[in-house]
Formats: sequence, structure tokens, C-alpha cells
Amino acid sequence: GENVEQHPSTLSVQEGDSAVIKCTYSDSASNYFPWYKQELGKGPQLIIDIRSNVGEKKDQRIAVTLNKTAKHFSLHITETQPEDSAVYFCAASSKGKSTFGDGTTLTVKP
Amino acid sequence: NAGVTQTPKFQVLKTGQSMTLQCAQDMNHEYMSWYRQDPGMGLRLIHYSVGAGITDQGEVPNGYNVSRSTTEDFPLRLLSAAPSQTSVYFCASSLTSGVNTGELFFGEGSRLTVL
Repeated sequence: GENVEQHPSTLSVQEGDSAVIKCTYSDSASNYFPWYKQELGKGPQLIIDIRSNVGEKKDQRIAVTLNKTAKHFSLHITETQPEDSAVYFCAASSKGKSTFGDGTTLTVKP
Repeated sequence: NAGVTQTPKFQVLKTGQSMTLQCAQDMNHEYMSWYRQDPGMGLRLIHYSVGAGITDQGEVPNGYNVSRSTTEDFPLRLLSAAPSQTSVYFCASSLTSGVNTGELFFGEGSRLTVL
């Protein structure tokens, strides 16, 4: 089955700095790569996603890049704000089933 | 629009007891699934369903049963609870499944403690 590795497990940045979270996957059949944000006591919520026929996607301060050859994808958050503090999960979907990374706890210090 | 609703939010069980976690969605989603979330281990797929009457096992199915008699509901049953099933459980749904899979919509979670 699919295996997704996510790094780092914790990330602390100063407000205004950029944050980068990286994921690798193993199944070349995976074709959908979402990123979810989970706030304390809540369920995860989608913040951005990318499909395998696209290399990069941007939505305001958030961007995702995908390298199919190397089987890795990354989340980039620019101009971080305290409200960006949360746990972020990457996922890779193959044949409709999503496999998640172990999560990154992002802390943005004011 | 309620989205995905899970009940109960909190539950404490004794070893060997049985219970059902309820999940309902009002978005007419084809795909529904159950995940468990443990510290440092992300979200692991327990069971999933691509439509009414169809269910399949995920990564960690042992000790859990599911059924999908309607499009809206996808209950998760623990027949004989064990301490290893102490976790936070999330139900998630998606409009489509298979190669056209898309965003998962998650419920708020059900925190289960087995003593």
C-alpha cells in the first residue's frame, strides 16, 4: 500500500517568515495530493490540493509543489501569521483511498 | 448545511463493552470513511464505503465493523472494546471516489477512552 512520510514533525517560525513542509509518497499510482490544517479540538480542513497533472498551485499565501518523478510534494506558507499555528497533514490518494502523513505542528511566534 | 455530524463527542467504555459511533452527512456524498488519530501517528484509515451497500477495509480494520445501508449514514461498531482502541475517531466524506477522488470533509471527531 501507499506510504507517506512527512517532515519536519515540528516547525517553529517567527511571524512574517516562511514555512515549508515536505512529504514523500511511495505509490506511483497516487494522483491527488491534498493538504489539511487541523486546529485544536477540530477535524482537519482542506487548505490546498494538487492533482498529478499539475506541478504547482498557489492560493494567496499558500502554495503546493509536486515532483512526480521524485515522488515528493511540499507546502509553502509565506508571511506566516499567528493564526497559521496548527497541525498540518499531507495526504496521497491512490484508487480513491487517502493515506496521511504523521503531521507537522507549526508554531508561529508573534 | 450541517456537513458531517458525529456522535457522541466523548465516550468512556470498559474493556469488553460494545458501542457504535454514529456518522451522518447531508451533502449526498458517495464516499464515506472512518479514521483514527493517535498521537504522532497521523490519521489511519479503518473502513471506507464508496456507496450504499458497499464497504471495504482500510489500513487498521481489526476490532471494528461498519455498514452502509443509506447514502447518509456510516456507523462504526466496536464489538468488544480494548484499551488499544482508545483514540480520536474521525468520520470523513467525499463527493466522489476512485480516480476522481477529491476533498475529504471531516466531522468534529469522537474521543473514545477504553479503561
